[in-house]
Amino acid sequence: GAVVSQHPSRVICKSGTSVKIECRSLDFQATTMFWYRQFPKQSLMLMATSNEGSKATYEQGVEKDKFLINHASLTLSTLTVTSAHPEDSSFYICSARGPGETQYFGPGTRLLVL
Amino acid sequence: GDSVTQMEGPVTLSEEAFLTINCTYTATGYPSLFWYVQYPGEGLQLLLKATKADDKGSNKGFEATYRKETTSFHLEKGSVQVSDSAVYFCALRRNAGNMLTFGGGTRLMVKP
Repeated sequence: GAVVSQHPSRVICKSGTSVKIECRSLDFQATTMFWYRQFPKQSLMLMATSNEGSKATYEQGVEKDKFLINHASLTLSTLTVTSAHPEDSSFYICSARGPGETQYFGPGTRLLVL
Repeated sequence: GDSVTQMEGPVTLSEEAFLTINCTYTATGYPSLFWYVQYPGEGLQLLLKATKADDKGSNKGFEATYRKETTSFHLEKGSVQVSDSAVYFCALRRNAGNMLTFGGGTRLMVKP
C-alpha cells in the first residue's frame, strides 16, 4: 500500500531556532501534499496545501513566512518552522494524495520548543 | 462551509461489546466520506471510506454506511478488541477538491 514517511519523528529545539520536517511518499508520486497541525486531544487543522513545483496554498490564519513549505519533487515536501517559539509546539502531520485520490498520512512529527 | 460533527468521547467499552460512533456532516454537493484511526503517538491511518450515497465502507470488522438522507456516516463494529483503542476521526472531502475536513475525533478505550 501507499506509504508516507516523516522525519524526524520527534524534535526538541530552543526558542528562536528553525526546524525542518520532511514528508516523503515512498512508493508513489504525489503532486499534492498537505500539512496539518494537531494540538493535544484535538482534531487536525489543515495548515497548507503543497503542490509540486509551485507555491503552497496556506489556510487562513497560517503565517506563510513562519511555516515555509517547499515541494521540490514528486516525493518530497518540507515544512520549516522558522524562529520557533513554545507556542509552535505541536504534532505536525503530513499527508500525500495517492492512488485513488486517497490521502495517505505520515506518522507525524512531535515538535517541542523550549 | 463544510463541517463534520462526531460524538464526544471518550467512549469506554468492554472487550467484545458493540461499538457505534456517530458522525454527521454538512457539505454542498456529494462529498466522499472517510473514517481514519489514530493510534497513540502515530499519524492517521485510513480505516474505510465511501464515495456515494448508500455505499458501505468496511475494514477490519468496522463498517459505515453513507446515508445521504440523514447526512450521516456512523462507524460500527460488532465486537471490539483492546487493540481497537485509539482515536477515530470522521472526515469528508468534496469531490471538487482534495481538502479533508475532519471531525473533532472520538477516543475509544476498550477494557479487557
